[in-house]
Amino acid sequence: DAGVTQSPTHLIKTRGQQVTLRCSPKSGHDTVSWYQQALGQGPQFIFQYYEEEERQRGNFPDRFSGHQFPNYSSELNVNALLLGDSALYLCASSLRQGAGEQFFGPGTRLTVL
Amino acid sequence: AQSVAQPEDQVNVAEGNPLTVKCTYSVSGNPYLFWYVQYPNRGLQFLLKYITGDNLVKGSYGFEAEFNKSQTSFHLKKPSALVSDSALYFCAVRDQNTGGFKTIFGAGTRLFVKA
Repeated sequence: DAGVTQSPTHLIKTRGQQVTLRCSPKSGHDTVSWYQQALGQGPQFIFQYYEEEERQRGNFPDRFSGHQFPNYSSELNVNALLLGDSALYLCASSLRQGAGEQFFGPGTRLTVL
Repeated sequence: AQSVAQPEDQVNVAEGNPLTVKCTYSVSGNPYLFWYVQYPNRGLQFLLKYITGDNLVKGSYGFEAEFNKSQTSFHLKKPSALVSDSALYFCAVRDQNTGGFKTIFGAGTRLFVKA
């Protein structure tokens, strides 16, 4: 049983560009959340997707958007990249029902130059 | 608003000694509380959770945590530390009343276990 997978592992972009990160949830999970983890900090909640809709959102600008597909996989898109967007982006999957823990992927390391 | 505080940036302990990593939280409703561990260049791994019931929660790798509602704390503990426990530990909280999966993480505590 594969856990949460993310691609790519690393990514280097320049300011102003756009990036798409991808996530496949753990088998059987229907909810995907995205987090940004800057160096030396805890993960910051970006948003959560369930039934192909954004359900909750953290304090991130509209440059951050996402999508969830019928197979529960998800994408995170970031437009007009800033240097401050450099971080580890983590995808977490879970079951919508209950108070279950989240299962995290290994992350995508984004560097903006 | 939800918040989590991990007052120690780093905890040092000798192998075989007990360890405690501290966490306090703030939520408007009843909390779901979690501990996660992160190894270098890896995602977070779930250790344990508190939902309701017994205040002492047991989790993976011999870790346990004690929920204290009056002190709004959820400290992580282990009776005997191992060198392999050295990692970055995150406490996290969700508000049961607001629903959803918006989880707030603390800044993390780095644990060093010396042989």
